[in-house]
Amino acid sequence: EAEVAQSPRYKITEKSQAVAFWCDPISGHATLYWYRQILGQGPELLVQFQDESVVDDSQLPKDRFSAERLKGVDSTLKIQPAELGDSAMYLCASSLGLRGRPTFEAFFGQGTRLTVV
Amino acid sequence: KQEVTQIPAALSVPEGENLVLNCSFTDSAIYNLQWFRQDPGKGLTSLLLIQSSQREQTSGRLNASLDKSSGRSTLYIAASQPGDSATYLCAGLGTYKYIFGTGTRLKVLA
Repeated sequence: EAEVAQSPRYKITEKSQAVAFWCDPISGHATLYWYRQILGQGPELLVQFQDESVVDDSQLPKDRFSAERLKGVDSTLKIQPAELGDSAMYLCASSLGLRGRPTFEAFFGQGTRLTVV
Repeated sequence: KQEVTQIPAALSVPEGENLVLNCSFTDSAIYNLQWFRQDPGKGLTSLLLIQSSQREQTSGRLNASLDKSSGRSTLYIAASQPGDSATYLCAGLGTYKYIFGTGTRLKVLA
C-alpha cells in the first residue's frame, strides 16, 4: 500500500542550529501539506503545495522556516535557526487535490519528532 | 475563519461500551470532513472521509455522520476495545486546506 514517507523519524538539535525534514508523498498526489503539531494540540498547517507552487504559507514563520518542492514531487522543510519553541511533531500529508476543486482524502506520514535543546 | 472544536477533550470508558465523539465547525462551507486516529508519538491514520454530498460513512465498528447545516459531525464507535485507545481528530476540508480540531483522547479500559 502506498504511503507518505518522512525522514528522519526523530531529530534532536541544539537551538540556533539548522534542521531539515524530508517528505515523499504518495505517487501522483499533486497536493502536499506540512503541518506542525504541538503536544496535546491538533495539527496546524504550515505550508501547502499544489505541484511545485505554494498555495498557502500564511502560517509559516518565514524568518526562520522555508519549504520547497522543486520538481513537484518530494519536499523539504527547513528551520534555521531552530528555537526551543519549535519542538513539535512535523507531519507531512498528501492528497490528489486539483486546483480550484474540493480536495480529496489526505494521507499522512509518520511524522518527524523534533526536540530543540 | 474556520474553527473546529471537539468534545469531549478526553474520555475513559470500560471495554464494550458504545461511544460518540463530537466535532463541530463554524463554517458550513466545507467540502469534506475527515476523521483520523493518532497513536502516541505517531502520525495520523485516516479512518473515514465524508464528502459533502454524503451524510455518513461506515467502516467496521466505526460510523461517521455529517450535518453541514448544523456544523456538526459525530464519530460513533461500537463495542469499544482497548485497542481503540488513541486520540481521534476531525478535520474540515475547505477549498484548499484542512482545519483540525484539538482531538479527543480516548482510553478504553479492559
